[in-house]
Amino acid sequence: AQKVTQAQTEISVVEKEDVTLDCVYETRDTTYYLFWYKQPPSGELVFLIRRNSFDEQNEISGRYSWNFQKSTSSFNFTITASQVVDSAVYFCALGSREGNMLTFGGGTRLMVKP
Amino acid sequence: ETGVTQSPTHLIKTRGQQVTLRCSSQSGHNTVSWYQQALGQGPQFIFQYYREEENGRGNFPPRFSGLQFPNYSSELNVNALELDDSALYLCASSLGALAGSSYNEQFFGPGTRLTVL
Repeated sequence: AQKVTQAQTEISVVEKEDVTLDCVYETRDTTYYLFWYKQPPSGELVFLIRRNSFDEQNEISGRYSWNFQKSTSSFNFTITASQVVDSAVYFCALGSREGNMLTFGGGTRLMVKP
Repeated sequence: ETGVTQSPTHLIKTRGQQVTLRCSSQSGHNTVSWYQQALGQGPQFIFQYYREEENGRGNFPPRFSGLQFPNYSSELNVNALELDDSALYLCASSLGALAGSSYNEQFFGPGTRLTVL
């Protein structure tokens, strides 16, 4: 069975602070995919990033960066110099190679205050 | 390129009624997945349709059923509604898991918020 845990239910920071959202996953698959999605108040899930299990390189995209560590089954997401527009619920998700089913974590609500 | 659309945006039903939610997939996508997102929780996989056939199902009772049409749009039907069915229902479309060796991202629609009274 697959499982994704986002231990931080809610994080509050002041604008321009850096913030890291944690994600820990469990799977028996040797090939799998990890995702981060952003869900603003409008409700639509916005895709941010996908990582393959065989590619442990960290990735940076603008103010966003992701740290994938297979040894600890973690896929953490860091926002540098946070902005009010980053306020949303962020979901980490796990997908198997065999299908398109995604297993989501419970989400982390990020509030960035001006 | 048209994105994923869902209708209606909001719906209010009473216990015991039946409901049909609709989803139009993104142009070129042949797979539709449905998720239920209860308030304050992450989305949970209901089922997936690939080329008009069910291709995987989550832990939901048979009163949750679906259809996919030749144009790859899809319906989610829920019979005998219960209070716990109140949630945001998300539809996602993708190219399917079997296209080459790459994983095809799921593109989500805005969701239908169902309230059961």
